[in-house]
Amino acid sequence: DQQVKQNSPSLSVQEGRISILNCDYTNSMFDYFLWYKKYPAEGPTFLISISSIKDKNEDGRFTVFLNKSAKHLSLHIVPSQPGDSAVYFCAASANRDDKIIFGKGTRLHILP
Amino acid sequence: SQTIHQWPATLVQPVGSPLSLECTVEGTSNPNLYWYRQAAGRGLQLLFYSVGIGQISSEVPQNLSASRPQDRQFILSSKKLLLSDSGFYLCAWSPATYEQYFGPGTRLTVT
Repeated sequence: DQQVKQNSPSLSVQEGRISILNCDYTNSMFDYFLWYKKYPAEGPTFLISISSIKDKNEDGRFTVFLNKSAKHLSLHIVPSQPGDSAVYFCAASANRDDKIIFGKGTRLHILP
Repeated sequence: SQTIHQWPATLVQPVGSPLSLECTVEGTSNPNLYWYRQAAGRGLQLLFYSVGIGQISSEVPQNLSASRPQDRQFILSSKKLLLSDSGFYLCAWSPATYEQYFGPGTRLTVT
């Protein structure tokens, strides 16, 4: 049973436009959500996170939105840049558990 | 600052051979440590995690095992590799917060 779902395996966005990556989860006990960015042959790097007590967190070009009633979160990148081309993983954790559950990832292509 | 090391970076091993991947963390003490595998189309799969020396939790039953002989050392092993063990193996650590920080990874090809 996949608790964190990223239903879009890939996404292509024009440079300068907004990239929106979506993530759905099923476990209502999740209280912390994270986004990671991964380049080929490298480890994922932490990008941004949000606690379940918030509905928005912003860091520069990156904003994460959380809709608890829909069990949905999204990552917005504005404006999109060529270096943003990577695989983005959504992840979630419950009550400071020792584990983080990852989605399968979405490959983002930024088009020139 | 904290750094995490993994080696080797790449490995090609025949089916049935043993495996040992090592991960070490510097600049912190008593971290939580994790082994993940990224296989094509399957995202990041948690294999093992450890909250202290000698404490290992297994998430996926398989022919792999993990050990934590020292506070900042985490080892992933197998006695006999299978073709299905091929993938990109990632070690990660976390402090007492939610975020995890990943190592550079090891690309394992079982032939």
